[in-house]
Amino acid sequence: SQTIHQWPATLVQPVGSPLSLECTVEGTSNPNLYWYRQAAGRGLQLLFYSVGIGQISSEVPQNLSASRPQDRQFILSSKKLLLSDSGFYLCAWSVGGTSTYEQYFGPGTRLTVT
Amino acid sequence: EDQVTQSPEALRLQEGESSSLNCSYTVSGLRGLFWYRQDPGKGPEFLFTLYSAGEEKEKERLKATLTKKESFLHITAPKPEDSATYLCAVKGDYGQNFVFGPGTRLSVLP
Repeated sequence: SQTIHQWPATLVQPVGSPLSLECTVEGTSNPNLYWYRQAAGRGLQLLFYSVGIGQISSEVPQNLSASRPQDRQFILSSKKLLLSDSGFYLCAWSVGGTSTYEQYFGPGTRLTVT
Repeated sequence: EDQVTQSPEALRLQEGESSSLNCSYTVSGLRGLFWYRQDPGKGPEFLFTLYSAGEEKEKERLKATLTKKESFLHITAPKPEDSATYLCAVKGDYGQNFVFGPGTRLSVLP
């Protein structure tokens, strides 16, 4: 069976500090990978998605970047955090190369920028 | 632009009191409508995918239905453990983007 991991679970960082959130998927090959942000009382906003190693698409301009150094690893980064980067960050995966669109989410990272 | 709205924003039910949640959508070429359950502080848990109008899916006390403009999540005889936020999302013809609604926060009181 497939499993998706995210870490850390919670993070408190000062404004201007760097950020690195990691997501890994087990039990599948060549998945599509996604980073979402969920603000309180709002729907999930897609930040980045990747259909393969080194292939990153950005959905919204922002202070963040993403990388996919390995097939089942997806990293969300920032060089300098802003207060507005606070939120609940979710990684998700879906089966790659098919018309099966269901996305499966990780446990999330709660980021607070102070 | 693809859009999803959900109603009500919040719903309180007594245990055993059946009800329905609504998801209204506009999308360019529906590839799928998805329902998720999200508990506080956790990632969304996949429930159902519906692909075309008239389709229905069931899982325990939950039943999802789909028309050309909306989907309903029917909850029959809910239990307190059904309390969660229920999210609806659509995928259209273009790109990888799911468009999520804001969710309905369901509370089932014993």
